[in-house]
Amino acid sequence: GESVGLHLPTLSVQEGDNSIINCAYSNSASDYFIWYKQESGKGPQFIIDIRSNMDKRQGQRVTVLLNKTVKHLSLQIAATQPGDSAVYFCAEILLGYGNKLVFGAGTILRVKS
Amino acid sequence: DGGITQSPKYLFRKEGQNVTLSCEQNLNHDAMYWYRQDPGQGLRLIYYSQIVNDFQKGDIAEGYSVSREKKESFPLTVTSAQKNPTAFYLCATSDRGIYGYTFGSGTRLTVV
Repeated sequence: GESVGLHLPTLSVQEGDNSIINCAYSNSASDYFIWYKQESGKGPQFIIDIRSNMDKRQGQRVTVLLNKTVKHLSLQIAATQPGDSAVYFCAEILLGYGNKLVFGAGTILRVKS
Repeated sequence: DGGITQSPKYLFRKEGQNVTLSCEQNLNHDAMYWYRQDPGQGLRLIYYSQIVNDFQKGDIAEGYSVSREKKESFPLTVTSAQKNPTAFYLCATSDRGIYGYTFGSGTRLTVV
């Protein structure tokens, strides 16, 4: 079946630096792509999403970029803080098929103070 | 977490036993989902339900069963047929026409 995968399993950044987390997806028909943050022992929390007909979307300190040509998704976190340390998942959704989210394996982000 | 209650938070099961994980929501969302997460891995879909009295198998449904008798509730039973049940189980809901999910805080199941 379709899959969503990540390039880097672990990312270490210095506090205050910008972070970039990457994701490759395989289903070109997906309608939305979503980034989630998961802290230890908790459920994933929604960060930001992007529709398939967009190439960039900005939120508070976060930006998601979508490159459909190479099926690549990235999450940029500006001025990374210790509280950003978590596992980050990208996920894709194909509407009309139970609205099922397909998750990637995740990237661990470690912020060094 | 945002109107979704999963219980218990920790659960221990003896081999050969069935156990049921609870998921209750007060968000009035139509769709509910069960995911399994293994250490260092992503989430895999077990079962999902888009409406009361209806549910579908996900990618790893073998050894699991569900029911959806009420809109608010979507319990997951881990049966003795599930050979490797130790994992973190997450329940999620979504509203029709809205793609984003809301997740519960999870149940950690351990076989002893």
